[in-house]
Amino acid sequence: AQKITQTQPGMFVQEKEAVTLDCTYDTSDPSYGLFWYKQPSSGEMIFLIYQGSYDQQNATEGRYSLNFQKARKSANLVISASQLGDSAMYFCAMNGGTSYGKLTFGQGTILTVHP
Amino acid sequence: DTGVSQDPRHKITKRGQNVTFRCDPISEHNRLYWYRQTLGQGPEFLTYFQNEAQLEKSRLLSDRFSAERPKGSFSTLEIQRTEQGDSAMYLCASSLRDPMGYTFGSGTRLTVV
Repeated sequence: AQKITQTQPGMFVQEKEAVTLDCTYDTSDPSYGLFWYKQPSSGEMIFLIYQGSYDQQNATEGRYSLNFQKARKSANLVISASQLGDSAMYFCAMNGGTSYGKLTFGQGTILTVHP
Repeated sequence: DTGVSQDPRHKITKRGQNVTFRCDPISEHNRLYWYRQTLGQGPEFLTYFQNEAQLEKSRLLSDRFSAERPKGSFSTLEIQRTEQGDSAMYLCASSLRDPMGYTFGSGTRLTVV
């Protein structure tokens, strides 16, 4: 079974500062993928970034980067130069094993960006 | 094609009534997923279709829940004899091959009173 743990219920950051959202995972599958999604108050889930378990380099997408530490089973999301529009719920998720299409999500972290 | 559409956006029903939700995926996507999200939690997987075949069902999908995807296009999720514990956001997603191509709909928020 796969498990995602997000230990930060809420995070606060000043506009233009960087912030790290923590995510640890547990799986016995050798091949898996790690994902981060953003969920604004409107409810839709927005894909941010993906990291494959065999990828050698950390994934980056614009202001988002994924700090992947395989030995520690962590996949932290780093948002650089925070903007007011980044205020939302952020979910870490993973797939893998026999259910490659299914995602297992963490509990989420609410990020609030202060002006 | 504007993305994954879910209907209705909101549904309030009395306990014991049946409800049905619809999901229209992105037209070229052959995979369709249903998730349930309760307040303050992450989405939980319910079921998954590849074309018209239902390939996986979660234990969360009790006998009161049924999902269909006739002709591999839109999908419906029906809940019979609703209970207050069914109150949640029901999210649909579709993809062509794998979760990197997941697109979620805006969800249907169900409130059972």
